[in-house]
Amino acid sequence: DTEVTQTPKHLVMGMTNKKSLKCEQHMGHRAMYWYKQKAKKPPELMFVYSYEKLSINESVPSRFSPECPNSSLLNLHLHALQPEDSALYLCASSQVVGPASGGSYNEQFFGPGTRLTVL
Amino acid sequence: AQKITQTQPGMFVQEKEAVTLDCTYDTSDPSYGLFWYKQPSSGEMIFLIYQGSYDQQNATEGRYSLNFQKARKSANLVISASQLGDSAMYFCAMRRDGGFKTIFGAGTRLFVKA
Repeated sequence: DTEVTQTPKHLVMGMTNKKSLKCEQHMGHRAMYWYKQKAKKPPELMFVYSYEKLSINESVPSRFSPECPNSSLLNLHLHALQPEDSALYLCASSQVVGPASGGSYNEQFFGPGTRLTVL
Repeated sequence: AQKITQTQPGMFVQEKEAVTLDCTYDTSDPSYGLFWYKQPSSGEMIFLIYQGSYDQQNATEGRYSLNFQKARKSANLVISASQLGDSAMYFCAMRRDGGFKTIFGAGTRLFVKA
């Protein structure tokens, strides 16, 4: 299974709503990522979890709250979002390899994304 | 600091012809990897090809090849025999070996004409 799944595919929410995005992989990867992508722009890294611990937070506003309940699941909890938060949210996963990886690399497998619209 | 530059916002190519998408990069890391991704209108990022900074040979994957010139810090993607399904956004990206953070270029929109 080389698939990363994301639910829902589309989400419309008001600024006072609380919602969650879900991501799942069964490739045994121990690193999972959240990216935000605005239209016609490249993806921007938001969070990285390594071995279920938050490893990178790219100064993301607290209205985005990540959670990694186990090695296969990654959630992104949303609360009090703004219209400018409307974007495609991509999840990815990869193996964890050290700097002296001897030529191997931690290819990131991406999910299909959740298109979020904040009204 | 790492930086990826893609100077071609849009490219047109005739079906069955080859096309080169440009990518230059800048990094102070001694060991890094370069990646190309394809993103169709559906949104999913599809991994195409990888080149390690210490690889002596250019990477190839089917119709995709990466023209790696380390001294010039360029990593151009060559797509041979273009197909209509190749129409998509293409991103060049870089990550230091062992790191988690991927730096993406601005992307090139490729249009394949029948």
